[in-house]
Amino acid sequence: NAGVTQTPKFQVLKTGQSMTLQCAQDMNHNSMYWYRQDPGMGLRLIYYSASEGTTDKGEVPNGYNVSRLNKREFSLRLESAAPSQTSVYFCASSEVRAPYEQYFGPGTRLTVT
Amino acid sequence: GIQVEQSPPDLILQEGANSTLRCNFSDSVNNLQWFHQNPWGQLINLFYIPSGTKQNGRLSATTVATERYSLLYISSSQTTDSGVYFCAVYPGGFKTIFGAGTRLFVKA
Repeated sequence: NAGVTQTPKFQVLKTGQSMTLQCAQDMNHNSMYWYRQDPGMGLRLIYYSASEGTTDKGEVPNGYNVSRLNKREFSLRLESAAPSQTSVYFCASSEVRAPYEQYFGPGTRLTVT
Repeated sequence: GIQVEQSPPDLILQEGANSTLRCNFSDSVNNLQWFHQNPWGQLINLFYIPSGTKQNGRLSATTVATERYSLLYISSSQTTDSGVYFCAVYPGGFKTIFGAGTRLFVKA
């Protein structure tokens, strides 16, 4: 089992460019999440998908869109990147019922210049 | 919204020492998880502990949900324990709130 995988690992964008971060899990989990981590801070929830076919906003959704492609995959899209979106992005998954333990991917380090 | 406070913010230990990390939260929560972020940025699950006490090797955790805190104990610390320790609480539904973390450095 690979667990939660993310691509790419690193990315540099210019302001205004768009890109999609990919996430996939092989644990048959129903719920998936996208977080961002800024220097010296904890993670903040951007969007989550409680189950296939549903998505909801988290704490910091502005500037992002998501797609739950199927049960395994959950993508995060930046339509017009801004320097404020420079961050490390983590994807996670969990079961929809107890235990709700979340498992994290390795992260994507994004720099917007 | 719910506030999560971790203490201390920074901790330096000599290898072999013990330590206690604390996580306070301002409202009732359904679940709580402890993570270790290693120096390479990887987030590692330590404990899923909505209440009670759990132990895993040199690490143990206790959550007293009625008093709104959780403790993470590290005994006989090793240099590989260095990194940042986060607690995350789940107040309800699927939303997750992370604390700012405790940064631990263990000296050889």
